[in-house]
Amino acid sequence: DTGVSQNPRHKITKRGQNVTFRCDPISEHNRLYWYRQTLGQGPEFLTYFQNEAQLEKSRLLSDRFSAERPKGSFSTLEIQRTEQGDSAMYLCASSSRVPIATNEKLFFGSGTQLSVL
Amino acid sequence: QKEVEQNSGPLSVPEGAIASLNCTYSDRGSQSFFWYRQYSGKSPELIMFIYSNGDKEDGRFTAQLNKASQYVSLLIRDSQPSDSATYLCAVTAGGTSYGKLTFGQGTILTVHP
Repeated sequence: DTGVSQNPRHKITKRGQNVTFRCDPISEHNRLYWYRQTLGQGPEFLTYFQNEAQLEKSRLLSDRFSAERPKGSFSTLEIQRTEQGDSAMYLCASSSRVPIATNEKLFFGSGTQLSVL
Repeated sequence: QKEVEQNSGPLSVPEGAIASLNCTYSDRGSQSFFWYRQYSGKSPELIMFIYSNGDKEDGRFTAQLNKASQYVSLLIRDSQPSDSATYLCAVTAGGTSYGKLTFGQGTILTVHP
């Protein structure tokens, strides 16, 4: 499988619980992005990594959210003390840094659908 | 005002017609513009990108960019039922990452036989 892989596909949790999602990017891609998408809206940028370094975090990312990319390979996104407002599709995307940066192409995974009850 | 705004849908066109999707953006520093297609329950898929004023054609798709008017559009010629999806406009200011995209809310397109 050469695409971006996300696990789990679906996660149902109770409010207040912690959840963790995993993303495995395309192997040669050094950039990894997390986005969040709610029903009827476009994806919203959360954070991104170049190799293992987290280079930017959105103001949307409260202190309950943390993302890591150890060794510059897979990434995890953890949400602590989940709230009903966290219910969304969490999308991971990867890309490789190209010399002509204007056409950096993102490859999205299938996403993890989170439902907080 | 939303940073990226798309024409409200849903948009319904007959098979074989031209579908026109529009998008405006507020940040004049935006440098690259993308159109993604998202089928229901699936992840977004890049179909076109453009960064120079004018038209860019790829098969049945034409992207048009007018930076002075802060406007980008996507035309789909000879629309097919398989084109039925949500179309997302996205822009990036560039800088350190052209992968940090700001998306519009999407326009649902239905192509009926």
